[in-house]
Amino acid sequence: GENVEQHPSTLSVQEGDSAVIKCTYSDSASNYFPWYKQELGKRPQLIIDIRSNVGEKKDQRIAVTLNKTAKHFSLHITETQPEDSAVYFCAASIRQGAQKLVFGQGTRLTINP
Amino acid sequence: DAGITQSPRHKVTETGTPVTLRCHQTENHRYMYWYRQDPGHGLRLIHYSYGVKDTDKGEVSDGYSVSRSKTEDFLLTLESATSSQTSVYFCAISDFGGQQETQYFGPGTRLLVL
Repeated sequence: GENVEQHPSTLSVQEGDSAVIKCTYSDSASNYFPWYKQELGKRPQLIIDIRSNVGEKKDQRIAVTLNKTAKHFSLHITETQPEDSAVYFCAASIRQGAQKLVFGQGTRLTINP
Repeated sequence: DAGITQSPRHKVTETGTPVTLRCHQTENHRYMYWYRQDPGHGLRLIHYSYGVKDTDKGEVSDGYSVSRSKTEDFLLTLESATSSQTSVYFCAISDFGGQQETQYFGPGTRLLVL
C-alpha cells in the first residue's frame, strides 16, 4: 500500500522567512496530494491541494510543487507570519470515489517573531 | 464548520467496555471516513463508507466496526475498548465529483480508555 514520509518533523523559522516541508510517496498510482494545517486542539483544515496533472499550484503565500518522477511533493510558505504556526500534514491518495488518504507524520512549524 | 459534527466530544471509559462514536453531516455527501490521530503517526484511516450500508476497511481497522444506516450518520464502534485505542478520532466527509471533492474534517472526539 501507499506510504508517505514527511520531513522535517519540526521546523522553526523567523517571521518573514520562508518555510519548506517535503513529502515522498511510494505508490505511483497516487494522483491527489492535499496539505492540511492543524492548530492545537483543532481539526485539520485543507490549505492547498494538487493533482498529478499539475506540477505547481500557488495560493497567495502558499505553493505546492509535485515531482511525479521522483515521487515527492513540497509545501512552500513565503513571508511567514505568527499565525502560520501549526502542525502541517501532507497526504496522498488515488483520486477516485472514496479518497483513502494516507498521511505523513506531520511537521510542527514554529514562527519566531 | 457547521456541516459536520461529532459526539461525544470527549469520553473516558474503561477497558473492555463498548464505545460508539457518532458522526453526523448535513451536507448530503456520499463518502464518510473515520480516522484516528496519535502522536508521531499523523492521521490513519480506520474505516470508510461509500454509501448507505456500504463500508470498507482502512489501514487500522482491527478492533473497530462501523455502520451507516442513513446518509447523514456514520457510527464507529469499539466492541471492547483497549488502552491502545486511546486517541483522538476524526470523522471526515467528501463528495467526489461534487462541490466538496476534498475531505472536510469534523471537530474530533477525544477518547481515553483507562
